[in-house]
Amino acid sequence: GIQVEQSPPDLILQEGANSTLRCNFSDSVNNLQWFHQNPWGQLINLFYIPSGTKQNGRLSATTVATERYSLLYISSSQTTDSGVYFCAVGGETSGSRLTFGEGTQLTVNP
Amino acid sequence: DAGVIQSPRHEVTEMGQEVTLRCKPISGHNSLFWYRQTMMRGLELLIYFNNNVPIDDSGMPEDRFSAKMPNASFSTLKIQPSEPRDSAVYFCASSPHHRGSNQPQHFGDGTRLSIL
Repeated sequence: GIQVEQSPPDLILQEGANSTLRCNFSDSVNNLQWFHQNPWGQLINLFYIPSGTKQNGRLSATTVATERYSLLYISSSQTTDSGVYFCAVGGETSGSRLTFGEGTQLTVNP
Repeated sequence: DAGVIQSPRHEVTEMGQEVTLRCKPISGHNSLFWYRQTMMRGLELLIYFNNNVPIDDSGMPEDRFSAKMPNASFSTLKIQPSEPRDSAVYFCASSPHHRGSNQPQHFGDGTRLSIL
């Protein structure tokens, strides 16, 4: 199956800093989603982005499918951005099945 | 609009007991997913349904696990008999489904299951 690798595994920032999280995947995908798991354990869908670029407020994401990676940008980080960010992918033979990466643990300090 | 609703939020039971987890998807969503999250294995898909029909159950760990979706607004995940290694957070998610096109998945708050 598809392998998903996220980097960095851990990231500590001061409030107001910018960051870039990376997701590499091992095969062609037609489904890629970014999620945020907050400290209370809730999983929030941030982007559905199998290709191209999207922006939502301070967050944006870019997927370059031909080069098998996706990037999540967080600008002007806030303490509420803390948590784990997951990339999840699905290939053309996967149907709607998503394979999750191990996540990036983000801590934003005041 | 109500999101995905899971019950119970927490369950503690003794090994050997039957456990039933429940999920109500977002109204109008016709794909439903059951996931399990553990420290060792991360987030993994157990099974998903399209239009109440199981499509991919390759992630179901063994025969002790079963899932049903009797109608568009309700699904259950059952473990019988339960074992301590089944302890995990179980998430349900739903999405709209359009032929040939994937859609964003929206998660419930999860059920934290502890088997003693």
